[in-house]
Amino acid sequence: KNQVEQSPQSLIILEGKNCTLQCNYTVSPFSNLRWYKQDTGRGPVSLTIMTFSENTKSNGRYTATLDADTKQSSLHITASQLSDSASYICVVSATGNTGKLIFGQGTTLQVKP
Amino acid sequence: KAGVTQTPRYLIKTRGQQVTLSCSPISGHRSVSWYQQTPGQGLQFLFEYFSETQRNKGNFPGRFSGRQFSNSRSEMNVSTLELGDSALYLCASSLVKQLAGELFFGEGSRLTVL
Repeated sequence: KNQVEQSPQSLIILEGKNCTLQCNYTVSPFSNLRWYKQDTGRGPVSLTIMTFSENTKSNGRYTATLDADTKQSSLHITASQLSDSASYICVVSATGNTGKLIFGQGTTLQVKP
Repeated sequence: KAGVTQTPRYLIKTRGQQVTLSCSPISGHRSVSWYQQTPGQGLQFLFEYFSETQRNKGNFPGRFSGRQFSNSRSEMNVSTLELGDSALYLCASSLVKQLAGELFFGEGSRLTVL
């Protein structure tokens, strides 16, 4: 069964600290993995998209990694800011005849001053 | 460049009624996909339209339907509303089909069913 699991479910950190969010997937055949940031009451915004051959991709203070062998991805946030408070959603794209996007439940991050 | 526009942003309906939501994609984007987001289920894929044809469909009952017009604008309709249909409905547009392309989401239409 195609699944995407994210951990932790929620996280509280102090402003300026780093954090890492995890995403494990059992999706086959794999096409790409995406990370989205969703502010409360807003639509998700794309942070990164990685294909099978990409190990690391950065977008400002956000760095995503992908290990296609272990089917794990992480999103590292450096020097967190209050504006990083949001939900972070991992999405995996499956190809093939029944190709679809499989969404994780998200990690809710709260950055406190 | 204008983003994805969804209307209405908020609406309240009662059980048994129907609702139509609208989505205007980014200019030049041919794919429009729809998603339902609830606190318990997270984001769930409803369907995708590409060049006016439904290309992919999620596991939702036939009460949920959609269409895409020649200008790529899309509408989704939910008939015979149930309490469980209360959710944030998001649409996303993409240059290419959703599985391959970057998705640009609108702000969503928040539906409350009483």
